[in-house]
Amino acid sequence: DIQLTQSPSFLSASVGDRVTITCRASQGISSYLAWYQQKPGKAPKLLIYAASTLQSGVPSRFSGSGSGTEFTLTISSLQPEDFATYYCQQLNSYPRDTFGQGTRLEIK
Amino acid sequence: EVQLVESGGGLVQPGGSLRLSCAASGFTFSSYSMNWVRQAPGKGLEWVSYISSSSSTIYYADSVKGRFTISRDNAKNSLYLQMNSLRDEDTAVYYCARENYDNAFDIWGQGTMVTVSS
Repeated sequence: DIQLTQSPSFLSASVGDRVTITCRASQGISSYLAWYQQKPGKAPKLLIYAASTLQSGVPSRFSGSGSGTEFTLTISSLQPEDFATYYCQQLNSYPRDTFGQGTRLEIK
Repeated sequence: EVQLVESGGGLVQPGGSLRLSCAASGFTFSSYSMNWVRQAPGKGLEWVSYISSSSSTIYYADSVKGRFTISRDNAKNSLYLQMNSLRDEDTAVYYCARENYDNAFDIWGQGTMVTVSS
């Protein structure tokens, strides 16, 4: 099975900062990767799919890049509502049981 | 409005059974593959099961294989998860999620809590 490793697991940043979260796959998955945002007590929300395609309605300060085994999610200028936990997910194959372990983004 | 609403969660004893439902509205349910994803308290996301639009293809995570059964009724716009032989480690919020044509989970329900405890 494909394993996903996110880094860092925890990130402290300030409003206006540019932040980058990395997701590494244990084997190549082309561009079959998605990113989700989850706030406490809420369902996850799709941000990015196909590694770099912004989901409709998601602010343009979010961007994704990468292919193969290394991927990044970048938030260009953090807003107060962006403080949440972020997960990557591989979309390459079933069992689709691979989410990254999550990156918790908190206010500094 | 495109929406998924889960129901059926609750408290059950180890070894017991529970059936979760997910009611879809606002889109052509029969055109989309669907998934169940769960999240144990304080933990990350864990994919549970997948069913194709016509029910012809089904997958399960190893952790639930042989105990859980996914199904759907396209006439009723509904997705189901039959959970048998429940264990303490099945305690989680269970989400249903629509899979878009790029295989990402673009619509999620609000979740239903399943607690397995004696």
